[in-house]
Amino acid sequence: DAMVIQNPRYQVTQFGKPVTLSCSQTLNHNVMYWYQQKSSQAPKLLFHYYDKDFNNEADTPDNFQSRRPNTSFCFLDIRSPGLGDAAMYLCATSGGTAYEQYFGPGTRLTVT
Amino acid sequence: RKEVEQDPGPFNVPEGATVAFNCTYSNSASQSFFWYRQDCRKEPKLLMSVYSSGNEDGRFTAQLNRASQYISLLIRDSKLSDSATYLCVVNDYKLSFGAGTTVTVRA
Repeated sequence: DAMVIQNPRYQVTQFGKPVTLSCSQTLNHNVMYWYQQKSSQAPKLLFHYYDKDFNNEADTPDNFQSRRPNTSFCFLDIRSPGLGDAAMYLCATSGGTAYEQYFGPGTRLTVT
Repeated sequence: RKEVEQDPGPFNVPEGATVAFNCTYSNSASQSFFWYRQDCRKEPKLLMSVYSSGNEDGRFTAQLNRASQYISLLIRDSKLSDSATYLCVVNDYKLSFGAGTTVTVRA
């Protein structure tokens, strides 16, 4: 049974055209994370929510925003995608910030 | 200095061999440690948590050395299906990921 679901799995967008990626979870975890991962690199944390408390990483560009309307869902909005934003975007959840994280299958974003 | 550093490999080993690799971390106050496995173009999956006394899960053994600030992963009797990238993850208020060590097991 899928526990962390991401949609779509593949997304193609045009340079500058806003795009939204979605994540949902059935684990009822308090914490949800968004990571960006480029080829052969470590996942890079963009931000996380602890319940409704939003925590932005200092080096996350303003171009990236997030929403968490309820416990189960979290969205990543990229307001004006650039070519450098092409990457795999991973959503993860955990029961607390010190605990192991469970990842969704990711959304691979292509910017044309 | 990066928070978490790993030898990227690749480690190319024959089936049945033992392979081991380390990961170093910079924050001595780090509290918890994990090994994740990531297959090509897939998401990371938790392989095992690393406890202070070391722990074993089947063919996989993880060790923590706080004095030297590294954790290790050993894979015994390697299988073809063990071919993957292994990510070292360290928790110091947030999870910090290493870039991964690639292991390729050949027939």
